[in-house]
Amino acid sequence: EVLLGESGGGLVQPGGSLRLSCAASGFTFSSYSMNWVRQAPGKGLEWVSSISGSGTYIHYADSVKGRFTISRDNAKNSLYLQMNSLRAEDTAVYYCGRLRNNAFDVWGRGTMVTVSS
Amino acid sequence: QSALTQPPSASGSPGQSVTISCTGTSSDVGGYNYVSWDYVSWYQQHPGKAPRLMIYDVSERPSGVPDRFSGSKSDNTASLTVSGLQAEDEADYYCSSYAGTNANWVFGGGTKLTVL
Repeated sequence: EVLLGESGGGLVQPGGSLRLSCAASGFTFSSYSMNWVRQAPGKGLEWVSSISGSGTYIHYADSVKGRFTISRDNAKNSLYLQMNSLRAEDTAVYYCGRLRNNAFDVWGRGTMVTVSS
Repeated sequence: QSALTQPPSASGSPGQSVTISCTGTSSDVGGYNYVSWDYVSWYQQHPGKAPRLMIYDVSERPSGVPDRFSGSKSDNTASLTVSGLQAEDEADYYCSSYAGTNANWVFGGGTKLTVL
């Protein structure tokens, strides 16, 4: 069974840092681009970042560029998101998603990040 | 990276059909740099749950998605049609499109589908 599971969320003060992880299983992790998508409370989905299967190609949404860093460890079947200089508007559920056939076909359950003093 | 435009709500009675639109631009839904592409997808999300892929590449259904769900596109507007509405179809629906190398992926604001 293809599964994704996020962890690492929590409460952090503005300006703080947090590192999210996404564990993958049931598929050849290194063959797929992986993405982070977030959803603020009561709001819609927002694409955050993507990384190619090899880790060569990386892209960020303008809203997080320069503050967030996506990475992956194919040996550990894991995806990461290092979030620095966090702001209140970064408060959201963060999902990891697998990109296949130009769509996000597998999603994790998400991990909640709350930025508040 | 502007969001795609969806109606905030849609509704229909059991057994009826409902269509949700998703309007973008020639830089996302319609393509990019004079190149047309069909990289529109649709997601269903029930409250408190992760999104579920329902349609990819404008009109393709993943395995396990009922054929009551169909997709189409015309120029800069994509559409999701749900036929034979069932109670379990009540959920939020989001469209998404590839938006080029720099912008990557963009989502619509979401449509809340109510089955009356």
